[in-house]
Amino acid sequence: DAKTTQPPSMDCAEGRAANLPCNHSTISGNEYVYWYRQIHSQGPQYIIHGLKNNETNEMASLIITEDRKSSTLILPHATLRDTAVYYCIVRVRANFGNEKLTFGTGTRLTIIP
Amino acid sequence: GAVVSQHPSWVICKSGTSVKIECRSLDFQATTMFWYRQFPKQSLMLMATSNEGSKATYEQGVEKDKFLINHASLTLSTLTVTSAHPEDSSFYICSARAADRAKNTEAFFGQGTRLTVV
Repeated sequence: DAKTTQPPSMDCAEGRAANLPCNHSTISGNEYVYWYRQIHSQGPQYIIHGLKNNETNEMASLIITEDRKSSTLILPHATLRDTAVYYCIVRVRANFGNEKLTFGTGTRLTIIP
Repeated sequence: GAVVSQHPSWVICKSGTSVKIECRSLDFQATTMFWYRQFPKQSLMLMATSNEGSKATYEQGVEKDKFLINHASLTLSTLTVTSAHPEDSSFYICSARAADRAKNTEAFFGQGTRLTVV
């Protein structure tokens, strides 16, 4: 799986958009970009994933650059409950459910009141 | 999303005893579950891949005789920490993904089990 690079920490004001960057310059053509987050003392929570097109769901938006070497997770209106560690992971997406996820160090996002 | 439940949420045990942690997929079947360990202020480290009806696959450096994994059904995997010692104190997390191709979704995680060995 391709390696990812994320800033170790970020702050964002409550109510503003939080933009979390991720570099994955060695990503392969068949690798997807996944985002998970982990609130303190809880298991990780799936947020969103994408291959090359921008994606949006009820939690966030994912913007992937045209060359796919980087992406940005956007939380449009950050709340205090969004304070967590956010993990960007790239991997091949298979259909058999047995592919493992490799977590890096992530970005610790703190939402400031 | 799919629900994965771990039990217990936290446990304190004496050094030398064994502790069993359960991981259940509540609304889907999972042929594969994953067990992670997380030490304070560190990221999740994969310990092993649990396969229903067969032996688990352990990551390098993880002692299979110390961390016993049993995946007896499509909805239950257990991790037993045998002869626990204080250095085994950690946050243990399981994850699972639907076995049904049509329902293949992303990995969902349990809430984690905090183990403290005294």
